[in-house]
Amino acid sequence: ETGVTQTPRHLVMGMTNKKSLKCEQHLGHNAMYWYKQSAKKPLELMFVYNFKEQTENNSVPSRFSPECPNSSHLFLHLHTLQPEDSALYLCASSQGEDRHNEQFFGPGTRLTVL
Amino acid sequence: AQKITQTQPGMFVQEKEAVTLDCTYDTSDPSYGLFWYKQPSSGEMIFLIYQGSYDQQNATEGRYSLNFQKARKSANLVISASQLGDSAMYFCAMTPAFSGGYNKLIFGAGTRLAVHP
Repeated sequence: ETGVTQTPRHLVMGMTNKKSLKCEQHLGHNAMYWYKQSAKKPLELMFVYNFKEQTENNSVPSRFSPECPNSSHLFLHLHTLQPEDSALYLCASSQGEDRHNEQFFGPGTRLTVL
Repeated sequence: AQKITQTQPGMFVQEKEAVTLDCTYDTSDPSYGLFWYKQPSSGEMIFLIYQGSYDQQNATEGRYSLNFQKARKSANLVISASQLGDSAMYFCAMTPAFSGGYNKLIFGAGTRLAVHP
């Protein structure tokens, strides 16, 4: 595997379900990110982890719970979601502190909440 | 607060022609980075090109070039010799000055480009 991978690619869940999204990066990067992409809205940064430490939480509801066990893996645990949480969830990673270092994105998980 | 504005929700271009996608940004930071990403229907964001606020020359990467006008706070993407595979959403993004060891990207709403044969 190379780059950034995400599983599952598609997920349909009810509002009472609990599920997790997984992201793995094979690039040796130190920072990992979760983004939410809803229809007709710009990409929204949700969480940032730098060297496994959460450094940013953009006022995300507690029904989204991130976990970063190591620099290569990032999870997003979901519980009691709402239909408006249906979106494409993108994971990304980047290396170092240089601002010119681009973020590498995974293919995303398309989430539908019924 | 930093903000990215992409005023063209959709654009179309004939194959082999050039197209310019507009991007303006708002920031009070003297130092920042500007990115363009491409998102095909498959969903993943693909990095295209980067421009630093202190770079003297416009960035170029193959068929992509960035028309950077700092005083006007614009960073338009120019795609030369369009190909059918260029049909996708294109996002302009900015990294503010101080992000504490990582790149905090702020994205625009995107422009959907359709390349016609």
